[in-house]
Amino acid sequence: DAGVIQSPRHEVTEMGQEVTLRCKPISGHNSLFWYRQTMMRGLELLIYFNNNVPIDDSGMPEDRFSAKMPNASFSTLKIQPSEPRDSAVYFCASSLVAREETQYFGPGTRLLVL
Amino acid sequence: RKEVEQDPGPFNVPEGATVAFNCTYSNSASQSFFWYRQDCRKEPKLLMSVYSSGNEDGRFTAQLNRASQYISLLIRDSKLSDSATYLCVVNLLNVLGSTLGRLYFGRGTQLTVWP
Repeated sequence: DAGVIQSPRHEVTEMGQEVTLRCKPISGHNSLFWYRQTMMRGLELLIYFNNNVPIDDSGMPEDRFSAKMPNASFSTLKIQPSEPRDSAVYFCASSLVAREETQYFGPGTRLLVL
Repeated sequence: RKEVEQDPGPFNVPEGATVAFNCTYSNSASQSFFWYRQDCRKEPKLLMSVYSSGNEDGRFTAQLNRASQYISLLIRDSKLSDSATYLCVVNLLNVLGSTLGRLYFGRGTQLTVWP
């Protein structure tokens, strides 16, 4: 059974470039979360979706960040233009919102903006 | 104030030692509590849920004190493979009485078990 799939696993880009991160949640899960993790700030929730609808995007740093979930099996997080301070590990997680709220994380995308 | 506060450590203990991690949460409306484990350069994974009555899973024991808004994790007979960062996690009901699955993660407590 496949877990959460993220691509790319690593991304190195130059400042000002557009970056698109992709996520495929676990089939049947109805909530999807995008997190960013850095040494300084730990794990931060950027945005989450429930049934493909964005519920809370208050964690999105600024207008340079945007996220979409066009269907239940795919989501993207886009940074345009990217900046060095965006360098971090970006995790996607999914869950089935029921009695238990266990979130299953993907392997993450390590982003380095030069 | 952050929703979840943890001692970041690091905790460095020898094999076989017993080690305890503590965590406090700020919102009394929190309903569900968890410990996640994150290995170096890996994703967080659920270690165990935390129930009001306390629960045990092998060498791991989790306790919840709702009155003090305090969660703990006890690891007995530490193994080298227990070396990781342990994340305290809580949920929170929104104004509609639902969590929609949102969880709040602490910064994590780093544990190193040495031979």
